[in-house]
Amino acid sequence: GNSVTQMEGPVTLSEEAFLTINCTYTATGYPSLFWYVQYPGEGLQLLLKATKADDKGSNKGFEATYRKETTSFHLEKGSVQVSDSAVYFCALGLGANSKLTFGKGITLSVRP
Amino acid sequence: EAGVAQSPRYKIIEKRQSVAFWCNPISGHATLYWYQQILGQGPKLLIQFQNNGVVDDSQLPKDRFSAERLKGVDSTLKIQPAKLEDSAVYLCASNMEGTQYFGPGTRLLVL
Repeated sequence: GNSVTQMEGPVTLSEEAFLTINCTYTATGYPSLFWYVQYPGEGLQLLLKATKADDKGSNKGFEATYRKETTSFHLEKGSVQVSDSAVYFCALGLGANSKLTFGKGITLSVRP
Repeated sequence: EAGVAQSPRYKIIEKRQSVAFWCNPISGHATLYWYQQILGQGPKLLIQFQNNGVVDDSQLPKDRFSAERLKGVDSTLKIQPAKLEDSAVYLCASNMEGTQYFGPGTRLLVL
């Protein structure tokens, strides 16, 4: 079956630190990959996505590259801000209208 | 463009009571999803609609959960009777061009 594995959390960083959040997946087929972010008390917001191998998604200083050879979609940001504190979910979808399969999510806390 | 709307935002009920959630997707989005997000986990699909037809309800506990999408727009999700383990956030999403857009969710606490 399809699954997404995220690194264990939580993660606590100082402002301006470099961020990497690992995500690997297992899928029957060629999925699209997503990162969603959930701020406290809010719903999920799409952060970035990639639809095929070697694509790089980017938004708000965050980047992730679709690596088919390692079945990974790691999220990176060069310099985190306090406002980036949230829960981050990696997800995959097979087909334009298919359901999303999510990882467990990881909580990021950025301290001033 | 208005986002996905959900109500209520919070609900507290006792076990064995019934509860209903409402979702209004983004205008023009034909595909609608209900997900259940238990604390500390990622969302899991309960049911998917394409217009007013069910595409996938394989993970919906049909003995207590029901959902409908009359006229292919708004949707309601009902739980009857509720159990303690139904405490979760219920997320509605709609889809356009391969991207799902989520509502703020309904946080349900069953006592």
